[in-house]
Amino acid sequence: TQTVSQSDAHVTVFEGDSVELRCNYSYGGSIYLSWYIQHHGHGLQFLLKYYSGNPVVQGVNGFEAEFSKSDSSFHLRKASVHWSDSAVYFCAVSAWGSGTYQRFGTGTKLQVVP
Amino acid sequence: DPKIIQKPKYLVAVTGSEKILICEQYLGHNAMYWYRQSAKKPLEFMFSYSYQKLMDNQTASSRFQPQSSKKNHLDLQITALKPDDSATYFCASSQDDTQNTLYFGAGTRLSVL
Repeated sequence: TQTVSQSDAHVTVFEGDSVELRCNYSYGGSIYLSWYIQHHGHGLQFLLKYYSGNPVVQGVNGFEAEFSKSDSSFHLRKASVHWSDSAVYFCAVSAWGSGTYQRFGTGTKLQVVP
Repeated sequence: DPKIIQKPKYLVAVTGSEKILICEQYLGHNAMYWYRQSAKKPLEFMFSYSYQKLMDNQTASSRFQPQSSKKNHLDLQITALKPDDSATYFCASSQDDTQNTLYFGAGTRLSVL
């Protein structure tokens, strides 16, 4: 069974700062790892995913994430945040193959102070 | 224009009643899902369908029944509603059930009194 954990419920940073949102997973086989963003009152939107190859993946709006097998992590980063990045960020994991579904972490609420 | 339409956006129901949540996707996807989000639990997977066939059901209660009349429709019927059913229900889709990029609707916020 795959599990995913996001240790930080809330993160507050100033506009222009860098940020890292943490995600750790537990699974023994081949997996997909993804990040999604949810603005208040809306559904989730896909940011990026990793399944093989270069452990650093680029997403939309300057976000990137780095996969680490040794740390069982897939942390999301942005070098310079904007107030519009304020949202809840969800990490998700799913196994490869047909008929699997994505399990989501509890989410990290990012607040960017202007 | 939204590509996944969920109706209604807000829904208030009384305990014991029955409601149907509507979901239509116009992305040409073959797999559809229902997730539930509440204050008590994180985003929780409920059902997945692929080519109108049930692939996975992680919902313990039979009060929740998905209904797929067309490939791009996956409605959710909830019977004998309870206050604990209050949550936001999200419909999602993906190209097929091996693809792991989900596209979400805006959700239906259900309140059971």
